Amino acid sequence: QLVLTQSPSTSASLGASVKLTCTLSSEYSTYAISWHQQQPEKGPRYLMKLDSDGSHTRGDGIPDRFSGSSSGAERYLTISGLQSEDEAEYYCQTWDIGITIFGSGSKVTVL
Amino acid sequence: EVQLVESGGGLVNPGGSLRLSCTASGFSFDNAWMNWVRQAPGKGLEWVGRVKTILDGLTTDYAAHVKGRFSISRDDSRSTLYLQMNSLKLDDTAVYYCGTDQYFDVLVGYERDFWGQGTLVTVSS
Repeated sequence: QLVLTQSPSTSASLGASVKLTCTLSSEYSTYAISWHQQQPEKGPRYLMKLDSDGSHTRGDGIPDRFSGSSSGAERYLTISGLQSEDEAEYYCQTWDIGITIFGSGSKVTVL
Repeated sequence: EVQLVESGGGLVNPGGSLRLSCTASGFSFDNAWMNWVRQAPGKGLEWVGRVKTILDGLTTDYAAHVKGRFSISRDDSRSTLYLQMNSLKLDDTAVYYCGTDQYFDVLVGYERDFWGQGTLVTVSS
C-alpha cells in the first residue's frame, strides 16, 4: 500500500536550516514526490517536484534556499536561511495509477 | 500569471448537493490534469479526485470516501473545472481546493503545479 510518512514537527531559529523527511512505503521507493507549503490560514503552495535521484525543479518564485534530496525511500526538503515566512505546514504528495496521496504534514516553527 | 479561482462553496444540509467551480487562467488548461483536494478544519490535505485531459480520455479517478457521491468534470472552452457533490455528509465539511496534477509546462520545460485559494463547504443542519 502506498503510504507517505512525514517527520514530526520541528523548530529552528531565524537563519538556521531545517531538513524535513517524507518516507515512501518500501515497495514504492523509486517514486517521485512533490513538496507543498501551507502558511497559516492560506492555501497550499507548490514548492517542487523531487525525483528518486534527488533532482528537483522548483515552482514559480520559489527561492533556491528550498532544496530537495533523496536517499532510498526517503525524500527530503531542506530549508536554508530560515525566514519568518517559512513558518508553515509542509506536505509531501505522490501518485500511483488512479490515486494521489498526501503525507500528514510537518510543521515548521521559526523561533 | 497563473490563477485558479474556486467558487460555489457554502452551507448545505446533510444529504444535500452542491457544485463547485474552479476557473483557470494563465496556463494551458486543456493540457492539464486537474485535482480537487480538501482540508477539513484543523486537518491535513486530502485528495478528492482528478480528471484527465480530453487527449487522455477525460478519465476520472476518485478517493474511496467520495466515490459514487462526487463527480468531477471540465469545460475546456470555459477553462473551468467542476466538482458535483451529492449526498453530502457532515464530514465533507472542508475547504476545497483545485489544482493542477503534474502539469508539464512547455514554457519552462518541466513539471510544476498550481493551487487555487479554496472555497469553504459546510455541511450542517
